[in-house]
Amino acid sequence: DVKVTQSSRYLVKRTGEKVFLECVQDMDHENMFWYRQDPGLGLRLIYFSYDVKMKEKGDIPEGYSVSREKKERFSLILESASTNQTSMYLCASRLFSGGSYNEQFFGPGTRLTVL
Amino acid sequence: AQSVTQLDSHVSVSEGTPVLLRCNYSSSYSPSLFWYVQHPNKGLQLLLKYTSAATLVKGINGFEAEFKKSETSFHLTKPSAHMSDAAEYFCVASPQGAQKLVFGQGTRLTINP
Repeated sequence: DVKVTQSSRYLVKRTGEKVFLECVQDMDHENMFWYRQDPGLGLRLIYFSYDVKMKEKGDIPEGYSVSREKKERFSLILESASTNQTSMYLCASRLFSGGSYNEQFFGPGTRLTVL
Repeated sequence: AQSVTQLDSHVSVSEGTPVLLRCNYSSSYSPSLFWYVQHPNKGLQLLLKYTSAATLVKGINGFEAEFKKSETSFHLTKPSAHMSDAAEYFCVASPQGAQKLVFGQGTRLTINP
């Protein structure tokens, strides 16, 4: 079974702090994704990566950056956390070959609160 | 652009009665389609997926969905609801050639005893 793990389930940070959210997958997937989920807004894509050191902006990249130095690990960075970044953050991975038929596998999520 | 519309933001049924969660997609060609379930404070779990083989797709936990191209629909059904089915359900499209998924807004399913 594919396993996607996220470094924290719950995280509380202060405004202005630099925050790192880590995601690791164990199935050699090329694609990895970061989403945020807010009530009434559904899931919104922040960034995705289609290979090591490759990244592409999603729908709401402002205030975030990402890093993918190894295939299995995809990090989301909040350079200077703000209260409007309080949210549930979900990481996902996907096998690229086979194209659109492949589903994304999701991690358990990190609920981030910025005070 | 591809879009996915879940027609109900909230559905409430009694335990033991049928469940119907509605989803329509818009596209000039048939995408791959998925249903995911999310229990409170958990990640998304795949229920089932349509990949242009059989139009009636069976998933986990007794759920199934039927792809109807003429109606651009992919509704999720279950004959008999169980209390453990209470969760948020997402209909998702994967356009051909695209790496990103398109999510519906979600339907919250409540099961009454």
